[in-house]
This record gives sequence, structure tokens and C-alpha cells, in this order.
Amino acid sequence: NAGVTQTPKFQVLKTGQSMTLQCAQDMNHNSMYWYRQDPGMGLRLIYYSASEGTTDKGEVPNGYNVSRLNKREFSLRLESAAPSQTSVYFCASSETGNQKTQYFGPGTRLLVL
Amino acid sequence: QKEVEQDPGPLSVPEGAIVSLNCTYSNSAFQYFMWYRQYSRKGPELLMYTYSSGNKEDGRFTAQVDKSSKYISLFIRDSQPSDSATYLCAMQRGSTLGRLYFGRGTQLTVWP
Repeated sequence: NAGVTQTPKFQVLKTGQSMTLQCAQDMNHNSMYWYRQDPGMGLRLIYYSASEGTTDKGEVPNGYNVSRLNKREFSLRLESAAPSQTSVYFCASSETGNQKTQYFGPGTRLLVL
Repeated sequence: QKEVEQDPGPLSVPEGAIVSLNCTYSNSAFQYFMWYRQYSRKGPELLMYTYSSGNKEDGRFTAQVDKSSKYISLFIRDSQPSDSATYLCAMQRGSTLGRLYFGRGTQLTVWP
């Protein structure tokens, strides 16, 4: 039982490059989330998916797109990376109606040069 | 003004000390109050949560909510080096579908 897994663990991009961050959970949760964590800013919600087939914008969605591929997988795409997107990205999941208890992955550290 | 304010610290205490971590908030609609713990280079994990005002105890940890002052606290008794982590408060409005609002986190070090 791996919980929430994220790939890659670390990535360096040049400005303008694109990449997709992958997330998968094996807890049969309906809801999944993408956050970014920056020093002094805490966790900020980028996008979330309340259930398979639905996605909604969070607090800081600009520059990102998401895909809820199936119930297990939720990916985050940066189409044209910018230095301001240098951050640690966390994926999380929860049961429907229980957003209080979110299970987080280990994070992806992204550096955009 | 951010909806949830949390002093980032850092906070450094000796083993065995009582630790007090705090958050303030501005939105009176918040009903659920959570504390997440995050070890270095790991994802956050839920420590405990309370609903509305009052206290909740879980072993060495006690969470307090004072809605009249819009102030929440986490107390750690008999702190241990293994408690060294960043502690994030989070809050949610009454709706079960509401998003979480996180504080910036307080970095705690407990030295032996």
C-alpha cells in the first residue's frame, strides 16, 4: 500500500520548457489535489478534482493545467515553465466529503532556470 | 491580509519543554481547524483536527480553538527530538466540500 506517489522527485527545467508531474494514489479516494509550497507562503492550492472527470481551479491556477486520467491518477502540466514556478509541488488525495484528512505525496522539487 | 496567519518561527526548545504553536484567522466562517505535521523533505500529514470551539487531546498533543478571538493553538507536552518538524495549521468552512486554507507553517526544533 504505497499511498500517494509522485514522479519525478526532482526536475530542472529551462524557461519555456514543458513538463508533466505525475501523481497516483491507491487508497480509492475520489478527491485529489495539487499544491505548491514556497518559503514563507505555505501550501497553496493549484487545482483540485472532486471526482473522476471533474477538475476545478484553486488559488493559483495560472500557468498550469491538470488532467484527471482516471480515479487513481491526477497529473499537473506546465506548458511553458517560468522561474516563478520554481517550487515544491505536492499531490494529495482524500475521501469525498472529508477534505480535512488529506494524504500527501512526498513532493516534486522543481527548479526553473 | 491572508485569511490564516502563522508565525514561521523558527522555534527551538530543549527536550521535555512544553511547546505552544499558534495561528490566527480572519474568516468567521471557518468551522474545522486542523494541524498538519511536515518532516523535512516529506509531505504533510494530519496530526489532529477540532470542530468549532474547545479542546481536543491526543497523547502529548492538545489542540485548542477560541472562535471568539479567532485564535487556535497546538500544545506539545514533554517535547521530543522526534517532534522536530514544521507544523501547519489549516482551516475549512462548514461545507464538507470546502477547500483547506493553510498557514505558512512554524518550524520547530527540539534539541536533546
